[in-house]
Amino acid sequence: ETGVTQSPTHLIKTRGQQVTLRCSSQSGHNTVSWYQQALGQGPQFIFQYYREEENGRGNFPPRFSGLQFPNYSSELNVNALELDDSALYLCASSRPQGLAGEQYFGPGTRLTVT
Amino acid sequence: DQQVKQNSPSLSVQEGRISILNCDYTNSMFDYFLWYKKYPAEGPTFLISISSIKDKNEDGRFTVFLNKSAKHLSLHIVPSQPGDSAVYFCAATLYGQNFVFGPGTRLSVLP
Repeated sequence: ETGVTQSPTHLIKTRGQQVTLRCSSQSGHNTVSWYQQALGQGPQFIFQYYREEENGRGNFPPRFSGLQFPNYSSELNVNALELDDSALYLCASSRPQGLAGEQYFGPGTRLTVT
Repeated sequence: DQQVKQNSPSLSVQEGRISILNCDYTNSMFDYFLWYKKYPAEGPTFLISISSIKDKNEDGRFTVFLNKSAKHLSLHIVPSQPGDSAVYFCAATLYGQNFVFGPGTRLSVLP
């Protein structure tokens, strides 16, 4: 069983640029959630996708957007990057909705905005 | 306004002793609570969970206790092992959406 994978592992961008982060969910999981983890803090929920539709969103501006594909992989897009967007971005997949509980996290993408 | 709080940033425990990690929450609507463990350069790993209709859940060396009236949960690790040294996150959710994480507690288990 393949775990959750994320790419790239590290990324450096300039303020104002756009970035796309990618996530492949664990086999059999059709729900993907994205989190932002700033240094010294817990992960903060950005949004969740279930069967290719957004299924919940945290307190993040519209310049944070996402996609989920038919194979349940997912992308996180961030436009007009700001210095405060520098963080570890985590993707987590879980089994079909209704089985609240375990999410399986990828190793994350470390984004640095300069 | 933090909905999930872990007031101890760090905890040191001797190997073989009990580790107790605490978590408080403010939203009484949360229906499921989870603990995750995170090693450096890895994503969080699910450890144990508890539904709001229960007050205890056990899995091997790990036990989670939930006190709904106090909006408090705790994770007990007995006996603690050096491999348990990691950052532990408490998380809460409603209907499996919008998991809210605490800031984490760094546990160090000393040999």
